[in-house]
Amino acid sequence: DAGVTQSPTHLIKTRGQQVTLRCSPKSGHDTVSWYQQALGQGPQFIFQYYEEEERQRGNFPDRFSGHQFPNYSSELNVNALLLGDSALYLCASSPSPSREQYFGPGTRLTVT
Amino acid sequence: AQSVTQLDSQVPVFEEAPVELRCNYSSSVSVYLFWYVQYPNQGLQLLLKYLSGSTLVESINGFEAEFNKSQTSFHLRKPSVHISDTAEYFCAVSFGGGYQKVTFGTGTKLQVIP
Repeated sequence: DAGVTQSPTHLIKTRGQQVTLRCSPKSGHDTVSWYQQALGQGPQFIFQYYEEEERQRGNFPDRFSGHQFPNYSSELNVNALLLGDSALYLCASSPSPSREQYFGPGTRLTVT
Repeated sequence: AQSVTQLDSQVPVFEEAPVELRCNYSSSVSVYLFWYVQYPNQGLQLLLKYLSGSTLVESINGFEAEFNKSQTSFHLRKPSVHISDTAEYFCAVSFGGGYQKVTFGTGTKLQVIP
């Protein structure tokens, strides 16, 4: 049984560009959450998707948006990239919004 | 304000020695408490969790943590560490219970010295 998968593993972008990160949840999971982990920091909650809708959101600007597809996979989009957006982006899936989360390996985004 | 604090950013300890990684939180509502471990260049793995019931919880690899409501703490302990325990450990709290919107501490790097 494959766990949570994320693509790509690494990404380098330039300031002002836009980026899309992808996440496939663990089999049987319908809820996906996204976290940003800056260097030397703990992960910070960005938002959670369930039934193709954003259900909860952390303290992140509107430049951060997402989408969940009918197969429960999810995308994280970041517009107008800033240097401060450089981080490890983690996806976590769960069988429902009220159940335990399982984390993927993350996508390392570097903004130059 | 709701917050999670890990006071120690790095903890060096000799192999086979005991270790305690500290975690305190601030909350006026009920909480779920978690410890996650992150090995280099990997994602987070759940080590153990407290949801309710017994205040002492254990993991399969010898770690334990005790929920202390009066001190609002959830310290992680292991009586004898191994080289393979070298990793970063994150305390996390879900305020109001549940698994949504988990708040993480800043992490503690455990370095086990041979």
